[in-house]
Amino acid sequence: EVQLLESGGGLQHPGGSLRLSCGGSGFIFNIYAMSWVRQAPGKGLEWVSGISVAGGSTYYSDSVRGRFTISRDNSMKTLFLQMNTLRPEDTAFYFCARHGGASYDRYIDNWGQGTLVTVSS
Amino acid sequence: EIVLTQSPGTLSLSPGERATLSCRTSQSFGTNNFAWYQQRPGQAPRLLIYAAFNRAAGIPDRFSGSGSGTDFTLTISRLEPEDFAVYFCHQYGRSAFAFGPGTTLDIK
Repeated sequence: EVQLLESGGGLQHPGGSLRLSCGGSGFIFNIYAMSWVRQAPGKGLEWVSGISVAGGSTYYSDSVRGRFTISRDNSMKTLFLQMNTLRPEDTAFYFCARHGGASYDRYIDNWGQGTLVTVSS
Repeated sequence: EIVLTQSPGTLSLSPGERATLSCRTSQSFGTNNFAWYQQRPGQAPRLLIYAAFNRAAGIPDRFSGSGSGTDFTLTISRLEPEDFAVYFCHQYGRSAFAFGPGTTLDIK
C-alpha cells in the first residue's frame, strides 16, 4: 500500500522558516515525480511545487517561487519543502503528492494526509 | 494562466439519485489531461478519474468521467452515503497544472 507521511508543520511568525518532510513507503520512490499541494482551511487546492525523479528539475508556482525550495533524498525515500520568508497567506494544509509516473506533468495518484502550516504573529 | 470553473458550487441530492458535476477550463490543450478527485471532510483528496474517463484503481463503476476540449463531466450514477463530499477537477500537463474550486455534494 502506498503511504505518504508528512511532518514538520506548525506555527511560525511572518518572515520565518519551516522545513516540511514527506516519507514514502509501499512503492519505488525514485521512479515517481513528486509535488507539494496546499489547501487553506475550507478552501480549494493549490499546486505549490514539483520535482523530477532524480531531483534535477524543480518547478514552482508564482506564489512561492524564490521563497520555497523543493528537494528529495531518494536513498531515504523522502521529499522536502524548505519554506522561507513565510507569509500569512501561506497558512494551509500542505499535502505531499505522488504523480502517476516519472513525469511531473502527469496527474497526482496518491496523497499524504497533510501537515498544517500556520503563519501568524 | 489556466482557470477551471466548476458548476454547480453546491449540489443537494438524495442517496440513490444521479449526480452530474461539470468543469470548464479556460483553455483547451487538445489532450484529455483531466482528472477528478473526491475529498471527504478531514481527509486527503482521492483520485477518481484520470485522462478524462479512466477510473482509478479501486473506484466503483458508478463513477464515470466524460468530456473533451474545455468541458468535462463527472457522473455518479446512484449516490451512496459515502459519496457526499467535495469534488475537484484538475487539468494537468506541462503547459498547465490547476485545480477547480470544487463542487460540494451534500445530502438533501
